[in-house]
Parts: sequence; structure tokens; C-alpha cells
Amino acid sequence: SQTIHQWPATLVQPVGSPLSLECTVEGTSNPNLYWYRQAAGRGLQLLFYSVGIGQISSEVPQNLSASRPQDRQFILSSKKLLLSDSGFYLCAWRGTGGYGYTFGSGTRLTVV
Amino acid sequence: AQSVAQPEDQVNVAEGNPLTVKCTYSVSGNPYLFWYVQYPNRGLQFLLKYITGDNLVKGSYGFEAEFNKSQTSFHLKKPSALVSDSALYFCAVRDIRSDKLIFGTGTRLQVFP
Repeated sequence: SQTIHQWPATLVQPVGSPLSLECTVEGTSNPNLYWYRQAAGRGLQLLFYSVGIGQISSEVPQNLSASRPQDRQFILSSKKLLLSDSGFYLCAWRGTGGYGYTFGSGTRLTVV
Repeated sequence: AQSVAQPEDQVNVAEGNPLTVKCTYSVSGNPYLFWYVQYPNRGLQFLLKYITGDNLVKGSYGFEAEFNKSQTSFHLKKPSALVSDSALYFCAVRDIRSDKLIFGTGTRLQVFP
């Protein structure tokens, strides 16, 4: 069966420190992968999506970047965190031929 | 552009009463519509989807949604609410061209004992 893993679950980082959040998918190949951010426990903003290895599309200009080094691995990064980067980050995938997304359990990032 | 709107920030309902969480959509072409639920500090869980076919879609945990083309609505319903249904609910539409899932702003459902 297909599963999606996202870690860490929570993270507290100082302003100016780097960030690396990892998302991996199991049980499928060539998934479309997505990073969302949820601020203030409400709306979901699409940050990045990827349709294949090394293919990244950015939705909004920001302090973050994404990479897809392997077919089922999607990484969200920052070189220097800002206070405004705090939020709940969700990874999701969609298999070929599927209609909806499956979400990871999320990472709560607090920048202090 | 595809979009969905959830006009209510919060819906309050007593346990045992029917509940409705509203969603309207704006799409070009046939809509692919979804409902997700989010419990505190958790990822989104899929409830149900409408792709084509019957206008009444049945999903997880006793939820259902009615697709209404003339009113461009896709309201989420449940005949008898449970306290455990209290959560944040998101309506979403899939943009076929870009393959993105576009979410509404979410509706917080509070079920009181």
C-alpha cells in the first residue's frame, strides 16, 4: 500500500538558521509531489510541486526552496529562516491516474 | 481559474443534529471536487470526491456531499453529528490543466454535546 512519511513532526529553529524538511513516499512510482504551508491553522498555500526528479515548480516567491533528488523524495529547504516561515508544512502526493491527494502528517515549524 | 469558496468560518451544531458545511465552486469544464478533514496538528484526511456520476457522493465516517451543478455547490452533510466530528473541513477543486489541488479557506465545525 502507498504511504507518505514526513519528518520531523515538530521543529523549533532560531531565525537565520537553515531548514531541511523531508518527505518520502512508498508503494508508488513517479508520483506528483507537493509542499503546502498552513498558517494560523487555516488556509493552505501551495508552495512547490514536482512532477519528476529534478523538476520543481514554485508557486510563490519566498525564502524557501524545494528539491527532488529521488523519485519518491521531496525536500523543503531554507538557507536562513525568517520569523514569517513559521507554520504547519504539509507534504502530499498524487499517483498517476489518481484524482485526489494523500497528505503527510505535517511538520509544525516555529522560528524563534 | 478554478476556485472554491467556503462562506462560513465556523459551523456550530448540537450532537445528534444534522450538519451541513457549505462549498461553492467556480470552474471551467467539469469539476473534480473533494472534501478533506483536518484534526488538530494533523495532516488532511480524504473524506470524499466527486468526479462524475451520481450527484450524491458518500464518503468516510458517514459523511456525504451533494453536487449541484445549477447552484455550483458541493455541500458536505451528515445526518447526525458526533462530538468527534469537530475539526477543520476543507473543500477543494482539482485544476486539471495545472494538476494542482486548490483549497477553500476551511470551515471549523464544532459539535456540542
